[in-house]
Order: sequence, then structure tokens, then C-alpha cells
Amino acid sequence: EVQLVESGGGLVKPGGSLRLSCAASGFTFSNYGMAWVRRAPGEGLEWVSSISSTSTYIYYADSVKGRFTISRDNAKNSLYLQMNSLRAEDTAVYYCARIPVSGTWYFDFWDQATLVTVSS
Amino acid sequence: EIVLTQSPGTLSLSPGERATLSCRASQTVSRNYLAWYQQKPGQAPRLLIYAASNRATGIPDRFSGSGSGTDFTLTISRLEPEDFAVYYCQQYGGSPVTFGQGTKVEIK
Repeated sequence: EVQLVESGGGLVKPGGSLRLSCAASGFTFSNYGMAWVRRAPGEGLEWVSSISSTSTYIYYADSVKGRFTISRDNAKNSLYLQMNSLRAEDTAVYYCARIPVSGTWYFDFWDQATLVTVSS
Repeated sequence: EIVLTQSPGTLSLSPGERATLSCRASQTVSRNYLAWYQQKPGQAPRLLIYAASNRATGIPDRFSGSGSGTDFTLTISRLEPEDFAVYYCQQYGGSPVTFGQGTKVEIK
């Protein structure tokens, strides 16, 4: 069974940093691209970042470019999102999601999400 | 950026009825790379449809997707109690990928 378990969310002050982790199991993690998607309170879903299976290709939404860094450790079956210079508008629930087909960017499994709150 | 507009915002229907959800793109979605997701409160989104009309693994055949270009539709042929949820469309034919704002299907 595919499982994605996220950790690392919480409350942080504006300008602060946070690192999200997503532990994968039930599939060969190194064969799949992964992504982060978020939903701000009262808003729709927003793609944040994607990374290919071997970390060769990495993409960011303009809203987080230069502040967030996506990475993965295939030996640990884990995906990460380092979030720096956090702003109030980064407050959201963050999902990690699996990309089922290389080169396409839809998501076939999502985790339960973790809440990130940026507030003083 | 491709903007996806979903309509209606809320659909009030009874179990057994047919639901028709619309997703309109601001420009042509390349290769009809359009997906649909279902989300219930407190749960992760669930992939229903990819590439406009392909059902994901394990999705009941009462869910169907259609459309091309800029106009796409998700149809639920007969609503079951577990189908009342929020539905999102997503395009992945252009960069960045974008989502619609969602359609809530509620019990009438």
C-alpha cells in the first residue's frame, strides 16, 4: 500500500524557516517524481514544487522561487521542502504527492498534509 | 499561466442523481492533460481522472471525464452518499500546473 507520511509543520514567525519531510513507503520511491502542493485557508490548491526521480529536474512556482528548496534522499525514501524567508501568505496545509508518470505533472497519491502557520 | 474556472461553485443534488461539473481553461490545455480530484474534509485529494478521460486505478465507472481543448467535464452518473465532496480540476499541459477553485457537491 502506498503511504506518504509528512512531518515538520508548525507555527513559525515571518522571516523564519521550516523544513517539511515526507516519508514514502509501499512503492519504489526512486522510480517516481514527487511534488509539494499547498492550500491556503479559504483558497484552492496551488502547486509549489516538483522534483524528478533522480533530482535532475526541479521546478518551483514563482511564488516560492528563491525561498523554498525541494530535495529528496532516495536511500531514505524521503522528500523534503526547506522553506526559508517565510511569509504570512505561505500559511497553508502542505501536501506531498507522487507523480505517476515521468514528464507529466499530475498526482496519483497524496499524503494527509501538514499545517504551516506563519504568524508573529 | 492557464487559469481554470470551475462551475458551478456548488451543486446541490440528491443521491442517485447525475452530477455534471465543468472546468474551463483560459487557453488550450496541451495534449488534454487535465486531471480531476475528489477531496473530502480532513482527507487527502484522490485522483479520479487523468488525461481528460482516463479513470485512475480503482475509481468506479460512475465517474467519467470528457472534453478537449479548453472545455472539460466530470460526470458522476448516479451519486452515491460517499460522492458528496469537493472536486478540483488540474491542468498539467502547461507550466506552471494549475488547479481550478473547486466545485462542492452537496446533498440537497
